[in-house]
Amino acid sequence: EVQLVESGGDLVKPGGSLRLSCVVSGLTFSNAKLNWVRQAPGKGLEWVGRINKKVDGGAPSYAAPVSGRFSISRDDSKDTMYLQINSLKTEDTAVYYCTTDDGGSAAYWGRGTRVTVSS
Amino acid sequence: DVVMTQSPLSLPVTLGQPASISCRSSQSLVHSNGNTYLNWYHHRPGQSPRRLIYKVSNRDSGVPDRFSGSGSGTDFTLEITRVEAEDVGIFFCMQGTHWLWTFGQGTKVEI
Repeated sequence: EVQLVESGGDLVKPGGSLRLSCVVSGLTFSNAKLNWVRQAPGKGLEWVGRINKKVDGGAPSYAAPVSGRFSISRDDSKDTMYLQINSLKTEDTAVYYCTTDDGGSAAYWGRGTRVTVSS
Repeated sequence: DVVMTQSPLSLPVTLGQPASISCRSSQSLVHSNGNTYLNWYHHRPGQSPRRLIYKVSNRDSGVPDRFSGSGSGTDFTLEITRVEAEDVGIFFCMQGTHWLWTFGQGTKVEI
């Protein structure tokens, strides 16, 4: 059974930083392309970014609103993807989900981790 | 970015009755490879979103056959032939044709 488990969400002050983790099991992690998607309170889902598998270069890509502040990385030895968020803004308050990427679709999602940015 | 517009946003349903949700995209979802990457998901609070349908009309393993997807180009529909109690929650569409994935606003289904 494929499982994705996010962690690291917290209450943080504006300007702070946070690192979210996504541990994946049930599939060959090194073969997986992965995404981060978020949902702010009362809003729809928003794609944040993705990271390719290392054999394809392992490069991350980002949505414009987060580019420069968000950084996605992966550690294939730990079956874990990370989302580093710097210079947090109140509008970053959301539940953050990690998903698989099957080429045009996200077959599996985690339950999400909540980030709250407030003074 | 491709805008995905779902309707209705709220759908009161009766157990055993059919239901239908529309999803329209601001651009064609036909990929250059000929595939159309329109997906449907079901999300219950506190749980992981579950994919029901991929590439417009392909049902995922374990998804009851009362769920079906149809459509083409920019106009897509999710149909439930007979609503069951477990169907409460949010249904949303997602396009994966364009590199920046975008999502419908979600349709809240209530019994």
